[in-house]
Amino acid sequence: GENVEQHPSTLSVQEGDSAVIKCTYSDSASNYFPWYKQELGKRPQLIIDIRSNVGEKKDQRIAVTLNKTAKHFSLHITETQPEDSAVYFCAASYSGSARQLTFGSGTQLTVLP
Amino acid sequence: DADVTQTPRNRITKTGKRIMLECSQTKGHDRMYWYRQDPGLGLQLIYYSFDVKDINKGEISDGYSVSRQAQAKFSLSLESAIPNQTALYFCATSGGQGANNEQFFGPGTRLTVL
Repeated sequence: GENVEQHPSTLSVQEGDSAVIKCTYSDSASNYFPWYKQELGKRPQLIIDIRSNVGEKKDQRIAVTLNKTAKHFSLHITETQPEDSAVYFCAASYSGSARQLTFGSGTQLTVLP
Repeated sequence: DADVTQTPRNRITKTGKRIMLECSQTKGHDRMYWYRQDPGLGLQLIYYSFDVKDINKGEISDGYSVSRQAQAKFSLSLESAIPNQTALYFCATSGGQGANNEQFFGPGTRLTVL
């Protein structure tokens, strides 16, 4: 089955700096890669996703890049703000009949004021 | 607003007790999932169901069972709870054929097994 590794497990940045979280996946058939944000005590919520037919997707201060050859994808947050502090999870799935998501282990991002 | 709800939100129980966690959704989604979250381990899939007649094991189904009572309801049971089942449990839903893969999570149930 799919295996997703996520790094780093913790990340601290100064407010206004950029943050990058990286994930690798094992199943070359995976073609859907979402990122979820989980604030303290809250449920995970989708913040951005990318499909394997594109290499990059942006939404305001967040962007995701995908390298299918190397089987890795990354989340980039620019101009970080204190409200970006949360746990971020990457995931991968095959967009076929199964549609199971395999999640990475999470990154605790702390934005220091 | 259409939502995913879970009951109870918190539960403390003793080793050997039977526990049921319930999930309901008003999103009209076909697919429902149960995950377990432990610190540093992300979200691990326990069971998933694509419709009322379909139940599938996930990565960590041992010690758990599920029931899909209706399209909108999916319950998780621990037949004989043990301390290492102490965790945060999330239910999630997603749309069926033709929908994207986004999963919508419930608020979670924090279970403590003493």
